[in-house]
Amino acid sequence: GIQVEQSPPDLILQEGANSTLRCNFSDSVNNLQWFHQNPWGQLINLFYIPSGTKQNGRLSATTVATERYSLLYISSSQTTDSGVYFCAVSYPHAGGTSYGKLTFGQGTILTVHP
Amino acid sequence: GAGVSQTPSNKVTEKGKYVELRCDPISGHTALYWYRQSLGQGPEFLIYFQGTGAADDSGLPNDRFFAVRPEGSVSTLKIQRTERGDSAVYLCIPGGTDTEAFFGQGTRLTVV
Repeated sequence: GIQVEQSPPDLILQEGANSTLRCNFSDSVNNLQWFHQNPWGQLINLFYIPSGTKQNGRLSATTVATERYSLLYISSSQTTDSGVYFCAVSYPHAGGTSYGKLTFGQGTILTVHP
Repeated sequence: GAGVSQTPSNKVTEKGKYVELRCDPISGHTALYWYRQSLGQGPEFLIYFQGTGAADDSGLPNDRFFAVRPEGSVSTLKIQRTERGDSAVYLCIPGGTDTEAFFGQGTRLTVV
């Protein structure tokens, strides 16, 4: 099956700093999502980004599908950004169709200190 | 939003017992997925339903796990002879082809 690797595994920042999280995947994908899991365990959708670039406030994401990676940028980090960031992908099933079966990376644990 | 209601929200059971976890989609999606998230890991795919049938159950860890969706709406994940390693958050999501997945709070299962 497809492999998803996230880096770094852990990241500690001071409030106000910028960061880049990376997601590498081993095969062609037709769905890529970034999630933030908050300290209460809720998985929050950040971006649905199988290709291209999107921005939402202080967060932005870029997926270069041909090179099999995605980047999540966090600018001016805040303590509320702390948590685990997951990248998840799905890929075309045999026969060319895909039903959105997601494979998650192991996550990046982000801690933002005040 | 998540588009599902999962019950119970928390379940504590003794090792060896049988448990059922329920997923009730709010909207009429034909597809439904089950995932589980163990402590310190990302969610892992368990099984996918298209309508009433299980289209892909390759993620079920062993034959103690079984899931049904008899009328193509509500789904039940059944775990026999529970083990401590089954402790996790079990998540279900509705979906279709290449749609964005939204996760709810799931059911937190603790086997003691």
